[in-house]
Amino acid sequence: QVQLVQSGAEVKKPGSSVKVSCKASGGTFTSFLISWVRQAPGQGLEWVGGIIPLFGTSNYAQRFQGRVTITADESTSTAYMELSSLTSEDTAVYYCAVGFRSGWSYMDVWGKGTAVTVSS
Amino acid sequence: DVVMTQSPLSLPVTLGQPASISCRSSQSLVYSDGNTYLSWFQQRPGQSPRRLIYKVSNRDSGVPDRFSGSGSGTDFTLKISRVEAEDVGVYYCMQGTHPFTFGPGTKVDIK
Repeated sequence: QVQLVQSGAEVKKPGSSVKVSCKASGGTFTSFLISWVRQAPGQGLEWVGGIIPLFGTSNYAQRFQGRVTITADESTSTAYMELSSLTSEDTAVYYCAVGFRSGWSYMDVWGKGTAVTVSS
Repeated sequence: DVVMTQSPLSLPVTLGQPASISCRSSQSLVYSDGNTYLSWFQQRPGQSPRRLIYKVSNRDSGVPDRFSGSGSGTDFTLKISRVEAEDVGVYYCMQGTHPFTFGPGTKVDIK
């Protein structure tokens, strides 16, 4: 059973960056498809981007291109999502979710989320 | 990007009665491999989302069989055969070819 543990809540200043981690256990890291999804307060779900650890390839939503970097460290089974040039509109809960390359199944398992607050 | 729409956006239901949510995509979700990557997620209040259905009609492990998914091309439906109290929450459809996009969500609550 795959489990995901995300890093703790963050408070950031406008213009700064945040790096959120997601540590996976209970599965083979290189078999995963990792996605990051965010949810602003009272709003719906928004895909930020994802990575396939086996290939090291990342995909990002157009609106975050140039501001987001998603990486994966196989040695620690941890994925990271770094978002830069933060504004108040980036205040949200950021979820990591894992799927499996077999069958190209995305977002089977979700983390508990990391709250990021951007405030001066 | 593929735009996903859902209706209704709010769905008051009576316990024990059926419920149905519609999801439409701005273009066909049939991928080049022949699969249709349409998923449904449930988000209960205060919880992380949970996937219920993948590839249109496949139920995830542990999902009660009162949930079912159907559809093809651009039109999809999530049905709950008999709503239970634990089904209260927001339901999202999502198309699973990059870039992924979610529908706006349908809030299900009890009348």
